[in-house]
Amino acid sequence: EDQVTQSPEALRLQEGESSSLNCSYTVSGLRGLFWYRQDPGKGPEFLFTLYSAGEEKEKERLKATLTKKESFLHITAPKPEDSATYLCAVQADNNAGNMLTFGGGTRLMVKP
Amino acid sequence: KAGVTQTPRYLIKTRGQQVTLSCSPISGHRSVSWYQQTPGQGLQFLFEYFSETQRNKGNFPGRFSGRQFSNSRSEMNVSTLELGDSALYLCASSRVLGDANEKLFFGSGTQLSVL
Repeated sequence: EDQVTQSPEALRLQEGESSSLNCSYTVSGLRGLFWYRQDPGKGPEFLFTLYSAGEEKEKERLKATLTKKESFLHITAPKPEDSATYLCAVQADNNAGNMLTFGGGTRLMVKP
Repeated sequence: KAGVTQTPRYLIKTRGQQVTLSCSPISGHRSVSWYQQTPGQGLQFLFEYFSETQRNKGNFPGRFSGRQFSNSRSEMNVSTLELGDSALYLCASSRVLGDANEKLFFGSGTQLSVL
């Protein structure tokens, strides 16, 4: 059974204080690992897809990395508008569809 | 381009009732999937549809069902509601199935409260 665990559950940062969110996963075969951002009252919004160990992707202050067991979302010099819940999900390669298995999320709060 | 539209936005029902939720995917998207989100369990996959056929189903009881129409719009139905069905129900659409290059676009969800 595919499993995704995210840590920490919640993270409070001061504006400008860089940090990392962790996503540990077990999957029979990885087709893709996805990062989403979710704001209160809204659905998840796509950030990145990573496909194989060693891959990295960046977008503004966010950088996602992937190993065979974990993914990290690094946040550099965060701003208050980066406050949101960050979700990690995996898609198995034995899945004929688009089904994602999600972790519980990390709720990030950035204070000015 | 319009995003994924879910209606209604909020619903309040009582135990034992049934409910139907609606999802209109992004134009040109043929795949629709449904997820249940609760504070305790997070996001859990319910089912997905492509070309009016259910392609995958999650571990939910038979009270949860869905369908997809020829215009790709989808509905999900929950019968004999239980208190534990209170959740945010999210719909996501994509163009095709089984391609990790394909992003899922989520709607804002329907918040269901069962009293």
